[in-house]
Amino acid sequence: ETGVTQTPRHLVMGMTNKKSLKCEQHLGHNAMYWYKQSAKKPLELMFVYSLEERVENNSVPSRFSPECPNSSHLFLHLHTLQPEDSALYLCASSQESRSNQPQHFGDGTRLSIL
Amino acid sequence: LAKTTQPISMDSYEGQEVNITCSHNNIATNDYITWYQQFPSQGPRFIIQGYKTKVTNEVASLFIPADRKSSTLSLPRVSLSDTAVYYCLVGDRGSNYQLIWGAGTKLIIKP
Repeated sequence: ETGVTQTPRHLVMGMTNKKSLKCEQHLGHNAMYWYKQSAKKPLELMFVYSLEERVENNSVPSRFSPECPNSSHLFLHLHTLQPEDSALYLCASSQESRSNQPQHFGDGTRLSIL
Repeated sequence: LAKTTQPISMDSYEGQEVNITCSHNNIATNDYITWYQQFPSQGPRFIIQGYKTKVTNEVASLFIPADRKSSTLSLPRVSLSDTAVYYCLVGDRGSNYQLIWGAGTKLIIKP
């Protein structure tokens, strides 16, 4: 148990569907992150939120839309995805975004685009 | 931003000590070094973090020479459950989200 819970664990969707990934952290952290991990590629940072404000957006296509309603919850809204978007999507949190404190990761959502 | 270089894979046997070395030649003064462990279908888990010399916790030790251009993660008496991918990251103290993740080292422990 890492204190970071992601749902669903697995998701299969067509390219025209709209779905959302959910992340919840129970650690009292102020920063939350979305990462993409594709097979045989390093983790790619997608978005960073600090106190519900987006502080980083690493040139992610607009078909990925993050939402952070409060410091404990983070969503990733998906629409019109492409087959190359199939990957493991990881959520993480840390005490602060501008700190050297470790990140705590959820176990991810395995996304498959048909 | 400092880039890291690690071996792609390593093998060892149960009960042995395993040392994984990471190179970070362009590490900056403010950079710290962090190691994570990742099992299949799970997110990475923090192992250890350090800035210089030696750091030890209940699961591992981290050795950092004076020039800080490399670091070595030491896992004492490994077991089969230590089979995982290990990532070395170097990042600035002031910016947690500028960490660059490499491909990691796939460690396989044999009986």
